[in-house]
Amino acid sequence: QSVLTQPPSASGTPGQRVTISCSGRSSNIGNNHVYWYQQLPGTAPKLLIYRNNQRPSGVPDRFSGSKFGTSASLAISGLRSEDEGDYYCAAWDDNLNAVFGGGTQLTVL
Amino acid sequence: QVQLQESGPGPVKPSETLSLTCAVSGYSISSGYYWGWIRQPPGKGLEWIGSIYHTGSTYYNPLLKSRVTISLDMSSNQFSLRLRSGTAADTAVYFCARLRVAGTCEFDHWGQGTLVTVTS
Repeated sequence: QSVLTQPPSASGTPGQRVTISCSGRSSNIGNNHVYWYQQLPGTAPKLLIYRNNQRPSGVPDRFSGSKFGTSASLAISGLRSEDEGDYYCAAWDDNLNAVFGGGTQLTVL
Repeated sequence: QVQLQESGPGPVKPSETLSLTCAVSGYSISSGYYWGWIRQPPGKGLEWIGSIYHTGSTYYNPLLKSRVTISLDMSSNQFSLRLRSGTAADTAVYFCARLRVAGTCEFDHWGQGTLVTVTS
């Protein structure tokens, strides 16, 4: 059982906007930044969003992040077939450890 | 261009120690930043194992803390993971990664991962 809670799956058609939620508690998401990772099939995770809503260089602005209290969301607009993969949220916990969500498998229909 | 590459001896027998090394190129680990290990059991999600700062300070997953040691080798520009008393539950793809900011989950560069199987 992961410390951060994500829906196991999400889906959308090309061009649609989808959101993936991530729920935690005050000791992790509530007090610290949220990070999102994209893991395409057979590859290592890639940092997608850092510090709740910042995109690393090279990440399209179709990807956006937000945080409200002890929850966070990743939004993907203009969905594309190459977005299909697994998405993970992560946060530092005040108990001095990093915690991940269980991951959300995104399917582009 | 920062690159990380995991390496290890192959399958591990139950109760033995799992040892992995992460070779870093394109950046000197003695210059700063932080380094970590994350694993992913087959078909499952990511699990943070621990992180080490360039000062040598370490932070470990509480569930693994009693069995884990992460260390730096500045002379070889690499860092290592040792996980003692291996069990089948430790079978996973192990990733090494650079942690850009201390006390966060900002892993900005990752190795490709290496599968470690614990089996008799």
